Amino acid sequence: GAVVSQHPSWVICKSGTSVKIECRSLDFQATTMFWYRQFPKQSLMLMATSNEGSKATYEQGVEKDKFLINHASLTLSTLTVTSAHPEDSSFYICSASGNSSYEQYFGPGTRLTVT
Amino acid sequence: SQQGEEDPQALSIQEGENATMNCSYKTSINNLQWYRQNSGRGLVHLILIRSNEREKHSGRLRVTLDTSKKSSSLLITASRAADTASYFCATDSGGYQKVTFGIGTKLQVIP
Repeated sequence: GAVVSQHPSWVICKSGTSVKIECRSLDFQATTMFWYRQFPKQSLMLMATSNEGSKATYEQGVEKDKFLINHASLTLSTLTVTSAHPEDSSFYICSASGNSSYEQYFGPGTRLTVT
Repeated sequence: SQQGEEDPQALSIQEGENATMNCSYKTSINNLQWYRQNSGRGLVHLILIRSNEREKHSGRLRVTLDTSKKSSSLLITASRAADTASYFCATDSGGYQKVTFGIGTKLQVIP
């Protein structure tokens, strides 16, 4: 099956700093990438949808200026958490899909801890 | 808001038994998918069932879909300890493959 990687796997940062998370589709071209956030013992909440070369579409309640998403190529999307605060601590998961399938291929996730 | 709601929220069974998880949703869908998530890991796609399908099999997995009741079930037969994970249903209504996840069922299979 298709492989999606995320980097880093986990990151600890200080409050007020920014953190960048990368999502890569390794063996297919991802026309659409999705970013999710998952708090402990909860489901995945979609944050934003990004299509290569265009601006991301954010879900209601997600601050686009805080969570910067860039989808510059068909194999890479980045999520930057700006001015991170402890309440941003969460598990961030990306997924990618190609043109011809509704199936999303998920990355392994990135655990962010803001101290 | 959550589209799918799974029940039970948690399930503990003995190895070899069958596990059944249910998912209900509110609005019309194009597809319903089931995913597995091991603790602290990403999601693994299990199976997709389209709105015009009623049942689908994949190995030890059997998924049913009843669009009149807006519900789906996932049956895992002859469960194994390695099946221990959280299981989520996800629905889409078309358009950029955006899916909405349910709250999940945490399955524990005791060896």
